[in-house]
Amino acid sequence: DSGVTQTPKHLITATGQRVTLRCSPRSGDLSVYWYQQSLDQGLQFLIQYYNGEERAKGNILERFSAQQFPDLHSELNLSSLELGDSALYFCASSGGLAGASSYNEQFFGPGTRLTVL
Amino acid sequence: AQSVTQLDSHVSVSEGTPVLLRCNYSSSYSPSLFWYVQHPNKGLQLLLKYTSAATLVKGINGFEAEFKKSETSFHLTKPSAHMSDAAEYFCVVTYYNQGGKLIFGQGTELSVKP
Repeated sequence: DSGVTQTPKHLITATGQRVTLRCSPRSGDLSVYWYQQSLDQGLQFLIQYYNGEERAKGNILERFSAQQFPDLHSELNLSSLELGDSALYFCASSGGLAGASSYNEQFFGPGTRLTVL
Repeated sequence: AQSVTQLDSHVSVSEGTPVLLRCNYSSSYSPSLFWYVQHPNKGLQLLLKYTSAATLVKGINGFEAEFKKSETSFHLTKPSAHMSDAAEYFCVVTYYNQGGKLIFGQGTELSVKP
């Protein structure tokens, strides 16, 4: 058990809908990362937050947005859903802001499996 | 673009035989390299990491990997496979100017036959 929790575990919805995925990082971790795992794209970094502020952006669609709250939990909002958004969405957390000379190990949650019908 | 390539999408070994999962990274600046494992319906777990210290890195469950700069490789090995090693393995790279962003390879599925 990594200490990172994600809810819900599974989500089934229809095209055009909007969903919210939730992540609680390990106790004390300030950084939260979101990743998408799909069959055609593999595992891709979406976005990172550090202590409530957006720090890095990857291949995140404009229809997707995220935020990190004062209690450090994070939410990933996916709107105008398309069939191609079906994927496993992972949240990871780490203790700090990885800089030029350090790396903070990222601990991954179990993921939320999103199915868009 | 910075990337990592896993040379085999699927590897099958017999229990008790050696495991070799191959990984090459694009050469740029100083990489930090990792291997993660994903068991079915589970999250990702860090096996080992290279961050410019010793080039031979030992990880959990008997796995190790060797960083070879001249070959831009970071292959994962284990002397003797166990049935519980069957999983998906990801080679991952990050660079100093990427903050915490991880770049994943496409994954290698390891099957272990009894």
